[in-house]
Amino acid sequence: LAKTTQPISMDSYEGQEVNITCSHNNIATNDYITWYQQFPSQGPRFIIQGYKTKVTNEVASLFIPADRKSSTLSLPRVSLSDTAVYYCLVGDTYTGFQKLVFGTGTRLLVSP
Amino acid sequence: SQTIHQWPATLVQPVGSPLSLECTVEGTSNPNLYWYRQAAGRGLQLLFYSVGIGQISSEVPQNLSASRPQDRQFILSSKKLLLSDSGFYLCAQYLRSGTGANTEAFFGQGTRLTVV
Repeated sequence: LAKTTQPISMDSYEGQEVNITCSHNNIATNDYITWYQQFPSQGPRFIIQGYKTKVTNEVASLFIPADRKSSTLSLPRVSLSDTAVYYCLVGDTYTGFQKLVFGTGTRLLVSP
Repeated sequence: SQTIHQWPATLVQPVGSPLSLECTVEGTSNPNLYWYRQAAGRGLQLLFYSVGIGQISSEVPQNLSASRPQDRQFILSSKKLLLSDSGFYLCAQYLRSGTGANTEAFFGQGTRLTVV
């Protein structure tokens, strides 16, 4: 699995756009990039997954440059309920992310 | 959807006592299964994972063990708990994808274990 590096923490205010970047310099050709969100005392939950360019769903966008060595999770107009830890994972979904190792994640704090 | 049953939700055990946490999953057969532990304010530590019945890979050598007696059952055990075993234990399943797109991990609700 490709090693990932994320900022340990980020602060924001309600209504702002938040961008969290993940570095994965050793990403392999077959690897997908997946982001998870975790609230206290809950398991992580899937946010978004992508391979290249841009992916958007109802909660977030994922931007992946052409070299795929990094990715950026974009949360539009955050609210207090977006305060959570965000994890970036990189791996080959065909082999099932066998080890499924989560990094330290980015702790996002949204203030009023 | 994938459902994971994990129990109990909370558990208080004395040092030196045994432990058995059970996780059962519903949905597609032959999922990858995982046990994680999370200490307060820390990240997810992968303890064990299994790609099939009877197949267990250990990530952290310690006094814990895991077993997978059935395709959709994953058990975490200890013969003698230590204070350092306290934490939030999560079971997860990940479905292999033949197409390589839009696959995700699903987590149970977790067990908060306090060793006293």
